[in-house]
Amino acid sequence: NAGVMQNPRHLVRRRGQEARLRCSPMKGHSHVYWYRQLPEEGLKFMVYLQKENIIDESGMPKERFSAEFPKEGPSILRIQQVVRGDSAAYFCASSPPQPPSGANVLTFGAGSRLTVL
Amino acid sequence: AQSVTQLGSHVSVSEGALVLLRCNYSSSVPPYLFWYVQYPNQGLQLLLKYTSAATLVKGINGFEAEFKKSETSFHLTKPSAHMSDAAEYFCAVTLTGTASKLTFGTGTRLQVTL
Repeated sequence: NAGVMQNPRHLVRRRGQEARLRCSPMKGHSHVYWYRQLPEEGLKFMVYLQKENIIDESGMPKERFSAEFPKEGPSILRIQQVVRGDSAAYFCASSPPQPPSGANVLTFGAGSRLTVL
Repeated sequence: AQSVTQLGSHVSVSEGALVLLRCNYSSSVPPYLFWYVQYPNQGLQLLLKYTSAATLVKGINGFEAEFKKSETSFHLTKPSAHMSDAAEYFCAVTLTGTASKLTFGTGTRLQVTL
């Protein structure tokens, strides 16, 4: 039973290029979350998606960042016109549908480390 | 809004010694609290969670944490450190009913020495 799969593990981009990060959730999980970890900081929530729906994008920067989770295929986090400040580790997590009375346990992938030159 | 504060970005203990990693939370409503561990170049792995049942929560690898409402704390402990415990540990909080949005602390890097 594969866990949350993220690729690429490492991505190098020059300023102004586009970065695409992919996340395949655990089997049976229909909810995907993206988090960003800047150097020396904790993980910051970016976006929460279900299939074909963005549920909560309150942590997404207003410009250049977008996320999708299509009916088929992985979730994609897309960063257009990258800048040096986008250099970070981007973690994807997945969960089953939220239980009625409890908290979801998020299962995290190994992360994608983006370096912007 | 909720938040967590982890005191000490780096903690060093000797093998066999007590591990104590501190986490204090701020929340306007009863929280759910989590501890995650991150080994080098890996994702975060859940150690344990508090979801308003028993205040003393036992997790994997011999770790446990106690929820203390009066102190707004959820410190992580392990009686005897092992070399394999060296990793980064994150405390996280979410509010009842908004379980998707975990708020993480800045992490504590645990070093275990011989």
